[in-house]
Amino acid sequence: GAVVSQHPSRVICKSGTSVKIECRSLDFQATTMFWYRQFPKQSLMLMATSNEGSKATYEQGVEKDKFLINHASLTLSTLTVTSAHPEDSSFYICSARDDRGRFSEQYFGPGTRLTVT
Amino acid sequence: AQSVTQLDSHVSVSEGTPVLLRCNYSSSYSPSLFWYVQHPNKGLQLLLKYTSAATLVKGINGFEAEFKKSETSFHLTKPSAHMSDAAEYFCVVRMNTGFQKLVFGTGTRLLVSP
Repeated sequence: GAVVSQHPSRVICKSGTSVKIECRSLDFQATTMFWYRQFPKQSLMLMATSNEGSKATYEQGVEKDKFLINHASLTLSTLTVTSAHPEDSSFYICSARDDRGRFSEQYFGPGTRLTVT
Repeated sequence: AQSVTQLDSHVSVSEGTPVLLRCNYSSSYSPSLFWYVQHPNKGLQLLLKYTSAATLVKGINGFEAEFKKSETSFHLTKPSAHMSDAAEYFCVVRMNTGFQKLVFGTGTRLLVSP
């Protein structure tokens, strides 16, 4: 299967600072990428859909000014958590949609653990 | 709207015994269904998928699932559990419109005892 990477894998930041997380599709181009958030012992919650060359589509209840998404190329999407607070601490997972086959497939990155102190 | 319901939050089995993780779906269309596994502090790994071909789907690590339209179910099974199977399992349905978003179930934690 295709490979999706995320960087960093772990980040600790102070309250009030901003953090950028990168999601890259390594061996395919992805017009569409997705950002999820996962709290401990809970399921994945879709935050937003990232489209190359256009604005991201946010799910209801997700603050677009707090979670900035930029999909600047067909292999890179970034999520910036602005003015992070402790309640933003979570596991952030991205996926990239591979449209090459008969059926599209989503491949997931390994996740980024964000801790805000 | 499409959704999945995982009936058990936790399932405990002994090593070597069968595994059954239950999932029911709701969909207006013929659904695409997936099972993913997540080991602690790790990303998601695709176990298997159903996309309207054979109703019995075989996946990795000895897992399989059967799509039963009459029961709106897509239960995950494995004949013999290994200690390494202990993880969180998610049943997922893919929306067939728009961005083809994935809708996740709440997850089932599989515990395997020696």
